[in-house]
Amino acid sequence: NAGVTQTPKFQVLKTGQSMTLQCAQDMNHNSMYWYRQDPGMGLRLIYYSASEGTTDKGEVPNGYNVSRLNKREFSLRLESAAPSQTSVYFCASSYSIRGRGANYGYTFGSGTRLTVV
Amino acid sequence: QKEVEQNSGPLSVPEGAIASLNCTYSDRGSQSFFWYRQYSGKSPELIMFIYSNGDKEDGRFTAQLNKASQYVSLLIRDSQPSDSATYLCAVKSNAGNMLTFGGGTRLMVKP
Repeated sequence: NAGVTQTPKFQVLKTGQSMTLQCAQDMNHNSMYWYRQDPGMGLRLIYYSASEGTTDKGEVPNGYNVSRLNKREFSLRLESAAPSQTSVYFCASSYSIRGRGANYGYTFGSGTRLTVV
Repeated sequence: QKEVEQNSGPLSVPEGAIASLNCTYSDRGSQSFFWYRQYSGKSPELIMFIYSNGDKEDGRFTAQLNKASQYVSLLIRDSQPSDSATYLCAVKSNAGNMLTFGGGTRLMVKP
């Protein structure tokens, strides 16, 4: 039982390059999320998917796109990377968003450390 | 004003002492409250959740919630050097779809 798996763990891009961050969960969770974490800024939501087939913008969606490929997989794409997108990216998943309790908290992947030069 | 506020710290306590971490939130519709621990270079891991007013204890950890005052706190008793980490407060609204995180408080427990 791997939980939430993110790939790659590290990536260096040149400005203008594109890439896709992959995320997969094996916990049968309905909802999946992409966050970025920057020093002093905490975790900020980029996009989320409440259920398979739906995606919605979060707090900082500009410069990103997402795809909920199936219930397990939620990818994040940078079409034209910029230095401002240098960050640590976390994917997370959870059960039904309307619940409460520990089961409705997030399980996080191990993160992708992205540097754009 | 951020929706979830935490003092960034660092909060320094001696080994064996009680560490008290605080968090305030602005959305009165918030229903569930979570504390995550994040070691340097690692991902956040859930350590406590609470949704009813009062105290909830789990081992050395106690979460406290006061919805009228819109604050939630985490107490760590008998603090250990291994508790040194950043603690993230997260809040979930019943109407909303996501967790909103505070900026985190860095805790340092000195031997």
